[in-house]
Amino acid sequence: AIRMTQSPSSFSASTGDRVTITCRASQGITSFLGWYQQKPGKAPKLLIYGTSTLQSGVPSRFSGSGSGTDFTLTISSLQSEDFATYYCQQYYSYPLTFGGGTKVEIK
Amino acid sequence: EVQLVESGGGLVQPGGSLRLSCAASGFTFSSYWMTWVRQAPGKGLEWVADIKQDGSETYYVDSVKGRFTISRDDAKNSLYLQMDSLRAEDSAVYYCAREDLVWGSYRKFDYWGQGALVTVSS
Repeated sequence: AIRMTQSPSSFSASTGDRVTITCRASQGITSFLGWYQQKPGKAPKLLIYGTSTLQSGVPSRFSGSGSGTDFTLTISSLQSEDFATYYCQQYYSYPLTFGGGTKVEIK
Repeated sequence: EVQLVESGGGLVQPGGSLRLSCAASGFTFSSYWMTWVRQAPGKGLEWVADIKQDGSETYYVDSVKGRFTISRDDAKNSLYLQMDSLRAEDSAVYYCAREDLVWGSYRKFDYWGQGALVTVSS
């Protein structure tokens, strides 16, 4: 199975900060990567698929990049509603696998 | 409006069985792959299984192979997860999600249910 490693596992940031979350795959997955946001007690929400394509309705402050094994999710200016846990997911091969998550907390 | 509503969760003893259901509405259910994802208490997301539109293909994470069975009934717009030989480590919130295949390659879980809690304990 392809292992997805996210870093950091958690960090604190302030509203307005530019933040970057990294996801590394244990083998190349071309661009078959998605990002999800989850808030406590809620179902995950799709943010990005195909590495960089924004899901409909997702604010443009979210962006994704990368290819092969290294990927990033960037939030250009953190808003209060963005404090949550973020997960990357590969769908290059089965079993589909998620990263361990990155919790973004308020500083 | 797309809606996915899970049911069937609960407390079950180790070795027991449970069947989860996911009722879909607001889209043409038969046109989409569907998937199950679980989340143990305080832990991350784990993909469990998915099923193709016509049920001809199913895939599972290794830890549930031979114990769980994903199925669908397009006439009832429903997805199922039959869980047998349950273990304590299967305790989790189970989410069903619509799996859209974009451009034939890019998978995205674009709509999710609210989740059903399964607790395996004696």
